[in-house]
Amino acid sequence: AQKVTQAQTEISVVEKEDVTLDCVYETRDTTYYLFWYKQPPSGELVFLIRRNSFDEQNEISGRYSWNFQKSTSSFNFTITASQVVDSAVYFCALTETGANNLFFGTGTRLTVIP
Amino acid sequence: EAQVTQNPRYLITVTGKKLTVTCSQNMNHEYMSWYRQDPGLGLRQIYYSMNVEVTDKGDVPEGYKVSRKEKRNFPLILESPSPNQTSLYFCASRPGLVSYEQFFGPGTRLTVL
Repeated sequence: AQKVTQAQTEISVVEKEDVTLDCVYETRDTTYYLFWYKQPPSGELVFLIRRNSFDEQNEISGRYSWNFQKSTSSFNFTITASQVVDSAVYFCALTETGANNLFFGTGTRLTVIP
Repeated sequence: EAQVTQNPRYLITVTGKKLTVTCSQNMNHEYMSWYRQDPGLGLRQIYYSMNVEVTDKGDVPEGYKVSRKEKRNFPLILESPSPNQTSLYFCASRPGLVSYEQFFGPGTRLTVL
């Protein structure tokens, strides 16, 4: 069974602080894909990253970085030097090869205080 | 511009009054799906379609219908809406099973009184 756990319901940080959003997943498949989406206050879902299970290299994109560790079934997301525009709900999601569904975590609401 | 569009964006209705939320994509994607988002539950899949005339249930299909008569359109139908269907709905599309990035529409906020 697939499951995605985002234990942090809400996080508040002061602008310019670094923040890490946790994502722990469960799957029986050896081939799967992990995603992060951002949902700003306007409500749309913005795709941030996709990572397949065979690629454990960490990825950095500007102030965003992702740490994928199969040993702990985690795919954590770090924002460096947070900004007010980073305030949003962030979702981690999982799909298995050939699956017809994208399983989402319950989301983490990040508030960046100016 | 490649996009998924949904209409209406906001809808307030009453219990039992049939409604349809439209979804259209201009990317020639084979795969389309509907999700609902509820507080504390994340997004859950309602129905999906792998191609024209091919649809199947997701995790929470009760109270919903869909159809896929054309590749670009995938409407969501609530024949007799109830208050527990008050939610934020997203339509999504992707090229096929071999490509896993889903493109989401802007969302439809539905309130059933």
